Amino acid sequence: ETGVTQSPTHLIKTRGQQVTLRCSSQSGHNTVSWYQQALGQGPQFIFQYYREEENGRGNFPPRFSGLQFPNYSSELNVNALELDDSALYLCACSLGGAGGRNEQFFGPGTRLTVL
Amino acid sequence: AQKVTQAQTEISVVEKEDVTLDCVYETRDTTYYLFWYKQPPSGELVFLIRRNSFDEQNEISGRYSWNFQKSTSSFNFTITASQVVDSAVYFCALAHGTTGNQFYFGTGTSLTVIP
Repeated sequence: ETGVTQSPTHLIKTRGQQVTLRCSSQSGHNTVSWYQQALGQGPQFIFQYYREEENGRGNFPPRFSGLQFPNYSSELNVNALELDDSALYLCACSLGGAGGRNEQFFGPGTRLTVL
Repeated sequence: AQKVTQAQTEISVVEKEDVTLDCVYETRDTTYYLFWYKQPPSGELVFLIRRNSFDEQNEISGRYSWNFQKSTSSFNFTITASQVVDSAVYFCALAHGTTGNQFYFGTGTSLTVIP
């Protein structure tokens, strides 16, 4: 148990719709990273939030956006859904912002299916 | 460029056999961290180990051991006397030491331990 929770567990949407995924940590980790994991692939970094601001972004278009709240929980928003957005979305919580010295604790993920 | 290669896509072993999962990485950083994560069918990534680039000492934890060799840019993972519960997908990951925010994951190795 990492203490990181994500909701919902599963989600089905249609092309063009918008979706919001949520992540929270019970352990007070102040940094949240989001990853997209397509079937059979490793997780791909979407972005990271630290102190309520985006603190690094991977190669994802602007229709992927996020928020971090004062209690460190976070949301991932995806607009104009495309079929290729179907994936497992993982959130990882850590302390202290940048750097691999900070271990990331992963949640169970949200399985998004776009039809 | 940062890159992690896990050339073994799938491995099957019979219970009690030893198995080694390979990981080769590329980075220009002198300070970096390497990780191994286990992903069972439930989807949650489980942290196994973190090593920094200045510590090449091999590590053993129960049936698990890791061999870090900077000369060959490899960080291999060996499971001794494998058990059915070891069946999962294993990911190797690389992170910057002091800057940057993302973890770079390999494509994973799916391990099946046959009873």
